[in-house]
Amino acid sequence: DSGVTQTPKHLITATGQRVTLRCSPRSGDLSVYWYQQSLDQGLQFLIQYYNGEERAKGNILERFSAQQFPDLHSELNLSSLELGDSALYFCASSDVGGKLFFGSGTQLSVL
Amino acid sequence: GQQLNQSPQSMFIQEGEDVSMNCTSSSIFNTWLWYKQEPGEGPVLLIALYKAGELTSNGRLTAQFGITRKDSFLNISASIPSDVGIYFCAGLLRPNNAGNNRKLIWGLGTSLAVNP
Repeated sequence: DSGVTQTPKHLITATGQRVTLRCSPRSGDLSVYWYQQSLDQGLQFLIQYYNGEERAKGNILERFSAQQFPDLHSELNLSSLELGDSALYFCASSDVGGKLFFGSGTQLSVL
Repeated sequence: GQQLNQSPQSMFIQEGEDVSMNCTSSSIFNTWLWYKQEPGEGPVLLIALYKAGELTSNGRLTAQFGITRKDSFLNISASIPSDVGIYFCAGLLRPNNAGNNRKLIWGLGTSLAVNP
């Protein structure tokens, strides 16, 4: 158990819909990262937050947004969903040394 | 932008064999991380390397931080069926400015299959 909690584990929705993925980092970690992993693909970095502020942005679509709350949990909002958004979405938090600890992911299926 | 070249892309071996995989880059990294991902799960950190030339073991796994700081290697000895998964390398860049915005660059993974 990495200590990073992600919910829900699975999400099935239709095109055009909006979903919210939730992440609680390890106790004491201030940074939260979001990654997307499509079938047989590597990890695509989406966005990083540190102590409530956006710190780095990767290949995140404009239809996607995220935030980190004062209690350090984070949410990733995906809107106007398309079939190609179907993927595993991972949240990770990092220690002061920069090592990432991943949650078990949310499997999003857009039908 | 920076990227890591991870090879091989996939491996199919017999139980008991040793495995080697590596990551190379044109960029210099301060830290190398090796992760393993099993189906339906998030990547799990196996080994972290912090100094050029460092050799670190974790059970049957051994990883090395290349002298040039542009590469890293992971070896698995005497493979067993539960070694199956995707192994990712990641290199950590530390910018000169202060703050917690280190940049982590990922390889595309090595998929390992072990035949019992």
